[in-house]
Amino acid sequence: DQQVKQNSPSLSVQEGRISILNCDYTNSMFDYFLWYKKYPAEGPTFLISISSIKDKNEDGRFTVFLNKSAKHLSLHIVPSQPGDSAVYFCAASDDKIIFGKGTRLHILP
Amino acid sequence: KAGVTQTPRYLIKTRGQQVTLSCSPISGHRSVSWYQQTPGQGLQFLFEYFSETQRNKGNFPGRFSGRQFSNSRSEMNVSTLELGDSALYLCASSPPLAGGNQETQYFGPGTRLLVL
Repeated sequence: DQQVKQNSPSLSVQEGRISILNCDYTNSMFDYFLWYKKYPAEGPTFLISISSIKDKNEDGRFTVFLNKSAKHLSLHIVPSQPGDSAVYFCAASDDKIIFGKGTRLHILP
Repeated sequence: KAGVTQTPRYLIKTRGQQVTLSCSPISGHRSVSWYQQTPGQGLQFLFEYFSETQRNKGNFPGRFSGRQFSNSRSEMNVSTLELGDSALYLCASSPPLAGGNQETQYFGPGTRLLVL
């Protein structure tokens, strides 16, 4: 049973527009959420995180929103740039980190 | 600071063989976690080691095992390989934080294992 779900395997967004990647979770005990970005042939790199006591965290072009009642979080990238094309993993943590299956983001020129 | 390193980067084995993968964490990191990445399942947690002790374990069969040495380097072993074990195996290390939580992980490039 998947505890962290990324229901969109892929997403295409025009350069300059906003990219919104979504993630749902089932375990209400998760207290920390993270987003990772992965390029081919490289390991994932940490992007941004949010604690369960917050509902928003912003870092430059990246903002993560957390809706605890809906058990939903989203990553907003604005404006989207070509270098943002990658696979994005949502992850949640209680005593270990559980990853979603990832969403492949394509930024179109 | 050097990043997380994994050796070998690529490996081809046949069914029934066993394999050992190695991970050297970032200097000062004491927690090492292992993940299996496949196209259909994404990143799946295998186990985590901290100070030479297995602290957490995912839902993988006993053929998958690991250990951590006193210098925090870790090895992962898979015995009696099956075709379905073909995957990218990622290692991640974490710095020690207050309270012992290890949220931010730094990943190595992975070892791509192909089982024929």
